[in-house]
Amino acid sequence: QVQLQESGPGLVKPSETLSLTCTVSGGSINSYYWSWIRQPPGKGLEWIGWIYSSGITNYNPSLKSRVTISVDTSKNQFSLRLGSVTAADTAVYYCARHIGAAGTLRFDPWGQGTLVTVSS
Amino acid sequence: DIQMTQSPSSVSASVGDRVTITCRASQDTSNWLVWYQQKPGKAPKPLIYAASSLQSGVPSRFSGSGSGTEFTLTISCLQPDDFATYSCQQVRSFPYTFGQGTKVEIK
Repeated sequence: QVQLQESGPGLVKPSETLSLTCTVSGGSINSYYWSWIRQPPGKGLEWIGWIYSSGITNYNPSLKSRVTISVDTSKNQFSLRLGSVTAADTAVYYCARHIGAAGTLRFDPWGQGTLVTVSS
Repeated sequence: DIQMTQSPSSVSASVGDRVTITCRASQDTSNWLVWYQQKPGKAPKPLIYAASSLQSGVPSRFSGSGSGTEFTLTISCLQPDDFATYSCQQVRSFPYTFGQGTKVEIK
């Protein structure tokens, strides 16, 4: 079955750029939508944005000025870049696949998540 | 943005109990609502989608209902594996938003 795995630095300095990659295994990245979601310690989930395998993107307006999501279909990967980070960006970052459409949409599966701490 | 508000924030219950969690949306989301279960240190897993459809592989003791702005997740007979945090998510409009979560704890 499809599995997702996030990778990237666990520590980022304030004002720098957070970069994470999600590797999809057990299936193709093509013809699906893929999202990044984050969860600050002890808090709720926040959707960051999605990308379709063609490269079309949609971002959360609260993060739009700082976020870029890209896809590399040859590697079956998609990536997240979040610029000008602050301590408020400290969170577990998840990647997930969209299944269903319109009213039947849900995120499944999810990666295991990776904790990114913003600190000097 | 559509704000999603869950109640209660936490609930203490015993094995065998019936547990009900409510999720209220600040705007009409039709039935475009998902419920997730999350255990400590793990990623969320979908339980219910389209407000009342059971995700494949999820036990039938989980059920969802509601439409518009008020939704309910019910666990009919709580099992030891069900102690977790449950979150709702609206997928009706961008940005997708989640409730703050409801923690189901052992009484």
